[in-house]
Amino acid sequence: QKEVEQNSGPLSVPEGAIASLNCTYSDRGSQSFFWYRQYSGKSPELIMFIYSNGDKEDGRFTAQLNKASQYVSLLIRDSQPSDSATYLCAVDSGGYQKVTFGTGTKLQVIP
Amino acid sequence: GAVVSQHPSWVICKSGTSVKIECRSLDFQATTMFWYRQFPKQSLMLMATSNEGSKATYEQGVEKDKFLINHASLTLSTLTVTSAHPEDSSFYICSALMPGLSGSTDTQYFGPGTRLTVL
Repeated sequence: QKEVEQNSGPLSVPEGAIASLNCTYSDRGSQSFFWYRQYSGKSPELIMFIYSNGDKEDGRFTAQLNKASQYVSLLIRDSQPSDSATYLCAVDSGGYQKVTFGTGTKLQVIP
Repeated sequence: GAVVSQHPSWVICKSGTSVKIECRSLDFQATTMFWYRQFPKQSLMLMATSNEGSKATYEQGVEKDKFLINHASLTLSTLTVTSAHPEDSSFYICSALMPGLSGSTDTQYFGPGTRLTVL
């Protein structure tokens, strides 16, 4: 069974700091990796995706992928209280077009 | 960005009635859509995969006769909760799979969700 694991948190960081969210996956054949943000009571919204080893930056967000170690991370620079949410990692192993979601990490940015 | 809508955003119904939830991809065609359920403080649970023009594929433990899915067009999928009971009260979220451009990955975009309360 394909697994995607995240620390449930909460991860607390002070405003302005870098928040680092990590995700590991079990299927070595996984091809695409996604980060979603979900505010309480709302549906997930896509932050970014990555499918090549290395870093991908989008504004304050940087996704990092290491396929050899089977982990993907999300860095949030200059964290703001509005970044407080649950962050979901999703992994697509291809073929069936179905991604596997992690259970999410709750991030709290303290003003 | 890709926009997915859901209707209604919330619904309250009596036990034993049926409720239909619509999911639409507004600015792209989605051959594949997904239906999720999320209970308070829990993670997303995939219920079924909806493919345009064919039968939905249900996850283990999801009753296909209770949760009817119809994906009649490339922009619309519906979920009908039949004979709803209080234990069906939950947050139902759909997503639509946006095909990637050449060399890019297919990506799921979520609708805003429907909060169902069964009395």
